[in-house]
Amino acid sequence: NAGVTQTPKFRVLKTGQSMTLLCAQDMNHEYMYWYRQDPGMGLRLIHYSVGEGTTAKGEVPDGYNVSRLKKQNFLLGLESAAPSQTSVYFCASSYGGLAGPQETQYFGPGTRLLVL
Amino acid sequence: EDKVVQSPLSLVVHEGDTVTLNCSYEVTNFRSLLWYKQEKKAPTFLFMLTSSGIEKKSGRLSSILDKKELSSILNITATQTGDSAIYLCAVVSTSGTYKYIFGTGTRLKVLA
Repeated sequence: NAGVTQTPKFRVLKTGQSMTLLCAQDMNHEYMYWYRQDPGMGLRLIHYSVGEGTTAKGEVPDGYNVSRLKKQNFLLGLESAAPSQTSVYFCASSYGGLAGPQETQYFGPGTRLLVL
Repeated sequence: EDKVVQSPLSLVVHEGDTVTLNCSYEVTNFRSLLWYKQEKKAPTFLFMLTSSGIEKKSGRLSSILDKKELSSILNITATQTGDSAIYLCAVVSTSGTYKYIFGTGTRLKVLA
């Protein structure tokens, strides 16, 4: 099993450019998450998904959009990148059911994004 | 506002030392507390503590949840250079929807 993978690993954007980060998991997890990690801020949830075709906002959703067209993939889009979006982005996934997610999250290796 | 605070922010020790990392929380509708180890890249899961499982141990690592004090500690005995990492604490709350609140982490460096 590859677990959770993310592409790309690193990207440099100019202000105003757009891009999509891809997260894929092969563990058949229902729940998937996008976080950003900034120095001194900890991990903050951007958006999450409780199943194919459903998404929800997290703590810091502004400037991002997501889609979950297939169960194994969760895409994070930046429509018009800003320097404030310079960060390391982590995707995670977890099992879930009617009672909610199982708490243990499995993280991808991260995408380092620099917006100039 | 829900928050998770970890202390110390950073720590430098020598191999063989024992360290204790702290995590305190103010969270409504607490469900569980998780510890992760983050080396260069992805955080990896260490322990999950709940009301029904307040103490966990794995090798040299152990963790305890104190629901009265709203805190948890992570102990590492006989530290090794491979223990050098950022240790993250996260609390899961069920206020309406499931919510993960992460602390900023403790950066541990173990010197040979």
